[in-house]
Amino acid sequence: GAGVSQTPSNKVTEKGKYVELRCDPISGHTALYWYRQSLGQGPEFLIYFQGTGAADDSGLPNDRFFAVRPEGSVSTLKIQRTERGDSAVYLCASTPGKGHYNEQFFGPGTRLTVL
Amino acid sequence: GDSVTQMEGPVTLSEEAFLTINCTYTATGYPSLFWYVQYPGEGLQLLLKATKADDKGSNKGFEATYRKETTSFHLEKGSVQVSDSAVYFCALMGSGGSNYKLTFGKGTLLTVNP
Repeated sequence: GAGVSQTPSNKVTEKGKYVELRCDPISGHTALYWYRQSLGQGPEFLIYFQGTGAADDSGLPNDRFFAVRPEGSVSTLKIQRTERGDSAVYLCASTPGKGHYNEQFFGPGTRLTVL
Repeated sequence: GDSVTQMEGPVTLSEEAFLTINCTYTATGYPSLFWYVQYPGEGLQLLLKATKADDKGSNKGFEATYRKETTSFHLEKGSVQVSDSAVYFCALMGSGGSNYKLTFGKGTLLTVNP
């Protein structure tokens, strides 16, 4: 596709459940980022992939959060034992890679609601 | 650490009014500065950017100048339109080892009435 896509667009789950959020970056983009946007706040950095490896996961709030990018393209953000405080919009972005860090292209986000 | 403080909204203007949304930052070194816009129902889009002091970013009639002496990057537009109604985010990207992650302000909701 032409842009970054994220699925699902909305996810409602119950406290304690496991969820997976998917991001398809722009074709050919080697760098991928996840951010979390809580209500009334700006996006906050979670994790950055360069290729298949997580180059910086310092923004993940705790060990319930994990992300993978096994083939260097699609990425999945995984949240275990969800809590109500995890409710937010999860944004994915991608860039062409090294030397292009300034140009982050964002997807529409997945709105996660934990009941 | 790096941080961005932007003018709290909401901001409500009439069409053709002048817009200013203030943004100041705290960062070490020489960050790059950005304004992103989020239109209703859409994802974040880069509006404009500036990568060094005194640079002016501009797009769609919006402008912002990177002022290192005042650590500011205020967004301006001379004559707003109804279609400019959106949430505007100021952001920075640090220099050095973290020159890949964006730090955002809280966002400012702009509503332009006809």
